[in-house]
Amino acid sequence: GENVEQHPSTLSVQEGDSAVIKCTYSDSASNYFPWYKQELGKGPQLIIDIRSNVGEKKDQRIAVTLNKTAKHFSLHITETQPEDSAVYFCAASKGSNYQLIWGAGTKLIIKP
Amino acid sequence: TAGITQAPTSQILAAGRSMTLRCTQDMRHNAMYWYRQDLGLGLRLIHYSNTAGTTGKGEVPDGYSVSRANTDDFPLTLASAVPSQTSVYFCATSPDRGQETQYFGPGTRLLVL
Repeated sequence: GENVEQHPSTLSVQEGDSAVIKCTYSDSASNYFPWYKQELGKGPQLIIDIRSNVGEKKDQRIAVTLNKTAKHFSLHITETQPEDSAVYFCAASKGSNYQLIWGAGTKLIIKP
Repeated sequence: TAGITQAPTSQILAAGRSMTLRCTQDMRHNAMYWYRQDLGLGLRLIHYSNTAGTTGKGEVPDGYSVSRANTDDFPLTLASAVPSQTSVYFCATSPDRGQETQYFGPGTRLLVL
């Protein structure tokens, strides 16, 4: 069945450095790719998303890139700050419908 | 603004007992979802509802049932709990069934012994 693989499972970076999280998906019909941030004890919250007709999208310090040919997409966080520490999830739409298939998550640790 | 509320916050449940997890939203969103979150497995969809009066099965529906009598409420029922249902359960909503942002509640932590 469809799945989304997310790497790495844990990422530790020095404050101020960049962080990159990568996901690959299997369903060639997927056309919507959101990224969520989950802080401890809270539900996930959307931070950025991209649709298949766009190759890159940026919002301040975060950006997402999409390579449809290779079926992978990545989250880039620049100038990391302590408040960026959280678990990040990628997801891909199941075909063109409303369901999302989720990656297993990446725990991002920002070292002071 | 309340957004999405879930109750209870946490619960310890004996195996074999039934339980209903409550989810209420005040955003008037049409679509609602129930997910379970297990370490290393991300979020898995249990059941969903595109609009009041309709429900559908997600990726892992066995052992769970839902109802959607109105727009605001989407309860999840475990008829006879088993230890493998120990998880964190999240309710989510989106304005419509299209590819739009899903908004998540704070979650219910359930331990089945």
